[in-house]
Amino acid sequence: QKEVEQNSGPLSVPEGAIASLNCTYSDRVSQSFFWYRQYSGKSPELIMSIYSNGDKEDGRFTAQLNKASQYVSLLIRDSQPSDSATYLCAVPDSGGGADGLTFGKGTHLIIQP
Amino acid sequence: DTEVTQTPKHLVMGMTNKKSLKCEQHMGHRAMYWYKQKAKKPPELMFVYSYEKLSINESVPSRFSPECPNSSLLNLHLHALQPEDSALYLCASSQGARDNEKLFFGSGTQLSVL
Repeated sequence: QKEVEQNSGPLSVPEGAIASLNCTYSDRVSQSFFWYRQYSGKSPELIMSIYSNGDKEDGRFTAQLNKASQYVSLLIRDSQPSDSATYLCAVPDSGGGADGLTFGKGTHLIIQP
Repeated sequence: DTEVTQTPKHLVMGMTNKKSLKCEQHMGHRAMYWYKQKAKKPPELMFVYSYEKLSINESVPSRFSPECPNSSLLNLHLHALQPEDSALYLCASSQGARDNEKLFFGSGTQLSVL
């Protein structure tokens, strides 16, 4: 069983600042990594995927991957109150098959106005 | 269109009831999933259907019975549930090959068992 570790928080960040969310994973052969955002009482929404070492940017979101350190992070620039949610890091249960994702416990992010 | 539709959104049932959760996607995805999520916990995989065949059953009790009538539809039949089965039930789908891993979730069914 793969393990995905996240700090559960809450992580409190002032509005307009950069929020930094971190995730480590146990399986060295993992190739794909996903960040989901989940508002309270809602379903998870995919916001970023990353497959290669380095940075991937999409709007205010940047995903960073370091496979050697088995570490993936999500940066949210110019944080807004609407970014307040739980952010789930996820890795596939196998390589390329439809086997589902293993999720971390999630980091609860609070953006303070 | 990246929509996965789940019905009903809320369901309250007694321990002797039989009910069904429904899920539909029209994205041409060939894999569909049921996840269970308890409050303040991550989603946990229950079942996977790949090309309309059950490929994964994560040791789920038999009071949960999945069904995949066709590539667009996924059902979860519920019978004789326990109060501890109360949770958010999430359906998801993914397309083939590399993107099998990218899951798109429906809005979920919030289930309460009395």
